Amino acid sequence: DAGVTQSPTHLIKTRGQQVTLRCSPKSGHDTVSWYQQALGQGPQFIFQYYEEEERQRGNFPDRFSGHQFPNYSSELNVNALLLGDSALYLCASSYRLAGGLGTPYEQYFGPGTRLTVT
Amino acid sequence: AQSVTQLGSHVSVSEGALVLLRCNYSSSVPPYLFWYVQYPNQGLQLLLKYTSAATLVKGINGFEAEFKKSETSFHLTKPSAHMSDAAEYFCAVWWSGFGNEKLTFGTGTRLTIIP
Repeated sequence: DAGVTQSPTHLIKTRGQQVTLRCSPKSGHDTVSWYQQALGQGPQFIFQYYEEEERQRGNFPDRFSGHQFPNYSSELNVNALLLGDSALYLCASSYRLAGGLGTPYEQYFGPGTRLTVT
Repeated sequence: AQSVTQLGSHVSVSEGALVLLRCNYSSSVPPYLFWYVQYPNQGLQLLLKYTSAATLVKGINGFEAEFKKSETSFHLTKPSAHMSDAAEYFCAVWWSGFGNEKLTFGTGTRLTIIP
């Protein structure tokens, strides 16, 4: 059983460009969360998708958007890239109701996509 | 708001020595707490989690953590360090409450093992 997979592994973009990152969740999982991890920092929550809708959102601008497909895979899109967007982008999948409503469900992380903006 | 603070961005211990990584939390309600490990060029792997069932939580690779409400702490320990423990460790708190659920991570502690 493959775990969480992300593509591409590395990406180099220029300021002002747009980028799309992809995530395939672990088999049986229905929820995908995206995190940004800047160098030397902990992951910061961007947003979460469940049932093809954005359910939660962290403190990120509208330049960050996403999508979830019927097969539960997900994309993260970032428009008008800034130098500060350079980071490791992590995708985490989970089964939303594994622990019941209001209780934490274990998130399985992918290896991440390293985005460099020049 | 719920948050975690990790004391010490870098910790070095000798192989075979005790590992102690510190995490303090801030929460207005009983928290759910986690420790994750990140090896170079990899994603995060769950080490252990506290969900109020027991205050001493045992995880993978010989790690354990004790929840101390009086000290608002959830420190990670391992009795004897191994070279393979060298990695970045993150403490995280779960925002509970339907409609507002997410993990908030600390800034991480890089553990170096001295041969």
